Amino acid sequence: DTEVTQTPKHLVMGMTNKKSLKCEQHMGHRAMYWYKQKAKKPPELMFVYSYEKLSINESVPSRFSPECPNSSLLNLHLHALQPEDSALYLCASSPTGSEAFFGQGTRLTVV
Amino acid sequence: EDQVTQSPEALRLQEGESSSLNCSYTVSGLRGLFWYRQDPGKGPEFLFTLYSAGEEKEKERLKATLTKKESFLHITAPKPEDSATYLCAVHTYSGGGADGLTFGKGTHLIIQP
Repeated sequence: DTEVTQTPKHLVMGMTNKKSLKCEQHMGHRAMYWYKQKAKKPPELMFVYSYEKLSINESVPSRFSPECPNSSLLNLHLHALQPEDSALYLCASSPTGSEAFFGQGTRLTVV
Repeated sequence: EDQVTQSPEALRLQEGESSSLNCSYTVSGLRGLFWYRQDPGKGPEFLFTLYSAGEEKEKERLKATLTKKESFLHITAPKPEDSATYLCAVHTYSGGGADGLTFGKGTHLIIQP
């Protein structure tokens, strides 16, 4: 079972809204990730939670904030987003901190 | 800075026409090279992991190989359902900061019946 579950599948939010994306895996993986993918571009790493330690890609703006309530769950809190933040947000997990297994993504539209 | 370059950007083949996709990389220390398949609007689907030069992996019509500077994804007698974007990614010794995968821009593969 290599399933990573993301909810919701689609989200439309206004620039003043606060919303959260959720990601869950029950494979016992100790590393979880958020990636952002714009249309016709490759995924770009945003955050890593590995063995309860958070690492941040320095280019990610503070309007994105991750939360890891436990080793199976990873949330991404969104606040005051801009239209250019519209993208496919991908969660992934890894058993080794190397190969990653991705969820189906959340398609986010900021209006 | 780690770089991953995939070629061609797009490839159109007839059903049954074998070909290869290329992924060249310039990294400071390779921990692993990965191939993924991505369908439109979906998350990447894991295909292969390669760790050292000379290594080969196979799955159905796909075969991945690795040298010290590049990897190839060979597709043999493809079918229309093999149409997708194929992504190459590397995991390197980053020396700090966020530790994840660096992706190439992908090859958009179309198999015509």
